[in-house]
Amino acid sequence: AQSVSQHNHHVILSEAASLELGCNYSYGGTVNLFWYVQYPGQHLQLLLKYFSGDPLVKGIKGFEAEFIKSKFSFNLRKPSVQWSDTAEYFCAPLTPGGTSYGKLTFGQGTILTVHP
Amino acid sequence: KAGVTQTPRYLIKTRGQQVTLSCSPISGHRSVSWYQQTPGQGLQFLFEYFSETQRNKGNFPGRFSGRQFSNSRSEMNVSTLELGDSALYLCASSSRESDRVNTEAFFGQGTRLTVV
Repeated sequence: AQSVSQHNHHVILSEAASLELGCNYSYGGTVNLFWYVQYPGQHLQLLLKYFSGDPLVKGIKGFEAEFIKSKFSFNLRKPSVQWSDTAEYFCAPLTPGGTSYGKLTFGQGTILTVHP
Repeated sequence: KAGVTQTPRYLIKTRGQQVTLSCSPISGHRSVSWYQQTPGQGLQFLFEYFSETQRNKGNFPGRFSGRQFSNSRSEMNVSTLELGDSALYLCASSSRESDRVNTEAFFGQGTRLTVV
């Protein structure tokens, strides 16, 4: 069964600081990886995704993530955070279904608090 | 394009009762998945429906069930409610293109269920 581990439960940063959130997943065949974000009071939104190809993927709002197959990692980064990035971030590998979309396994989430 | 719609947004039920939650996926999406979100357990996969058939199932008791209709709308039912069933229930829809998984799951706002 797929499993995922996010390294930090709560990260507190000041605006303009750099961010890196760690994510490690267990090998499960075809690897499709996602980072989702949940802003306070809002629904889960896709931040970025990796299916294949360039291991450095770019997402919305200046976020990027690097897929390192040898380390089973998919760490999220942003060079300079803003107060509006305060949210909870979830790493989620996908276990594809044979004839359906499949199942997302979510990490426990990392709460990011950015102070102005 | 309308997003994933879940109804109702909030529910309060008594222990032992049953409840039905509804999810309308994005038009054209045929896969609907359900997730439970709690502070203690995080986001956990309940089940996935595709073309009116349950394709994947998580580790939840049989009290949790669902179905999907021909228009891809889905319902989730929880019978004999327990206090521990209090959670945010999220629905996600996605499309399944050909034989490649190259899409993302779009989440609804969720239904907040409180069992008293």
